[in-house]
Amino acid sequence: KQEVTQIPAALSVPEGENLVLNCSFTDSAIYNLQWFRQDPGKGLTSLLLIQSSQREQTSGRLNASLDKSSGRSTLYIAASQPGDSATYLCAVRGSNYKLTFGKGTLLTVNP
Amino acid sequence: DVKVTQSSRYLVKRTGEKVFLECVQDMDHENMFWYRQDPGLGLRLIYFSYDVKMKEKGDIPEGYSVSREKKERFSLILESASTNQTSMYLCASSTPDRADTGELFFGEGSRLTVL
Repeated sequence: KQEVTQIPAALSVPEGENLVLNCSFTDSAIYNLQWFRQDPGKGLTSLLLIQSSQREQTSGRLNASLDKSSGRSTLYIAASQPGDSATYLCAVRGSNYKLTFGKGTLLTVNP
Repeated sequence: DVKVTQSSRYLVKRTGEKVFLECVQDMDHENMFWYRQDPGLGLRLIYFSYDVKMKEKGDIPEGYSVSREKKERFSLILESASTNQTSMYLCASSTPDRADTGELFFGEGSRLTVL
């Protein structure tokens, strides 16, 4: 059974800092990995999707990497802003339509 | 942009009531999903559907049923609501795994409270 772990569970940084969020998974037979952002009381917003054949994806200040063999992904946020404060979740998709989610990292960026 | 719309953002129901949560997507996606999200437990899959009238149980289907009569609409039904079904319910849709991305898009969520 796939298990997804996100460390740390919470992170607080000053504005302008570059930061890395981590996601690890136990079964490397994945179809893709997706990073989401969730604001309090809201749904999930897709940030980046990495297919199993890819190593990284970039969108603006965000860069996500994938190392299937080691079962790891990282989300790099450059020059963090208070508006980046949210919970960040990663999810891996296996071959049976299902996604397995991590429990998220709560990020607080302090002005 | 893909839009997944959940009809009710907040609902308050009484124990034993029948509850319908509606979800509509506008991108002609084949796959649709219902999750619930609880503090400390994360997101858990209740049911998913990969085509009209097709459904499969997720990890926690007990106490729930679903309906998919049209491609764009996926409904979650609580036949007899109980207090332990108080939760945030999230609907999502995606293209099939065989297609180009399989990216998952979520609605804004429905916060259900059962008294």
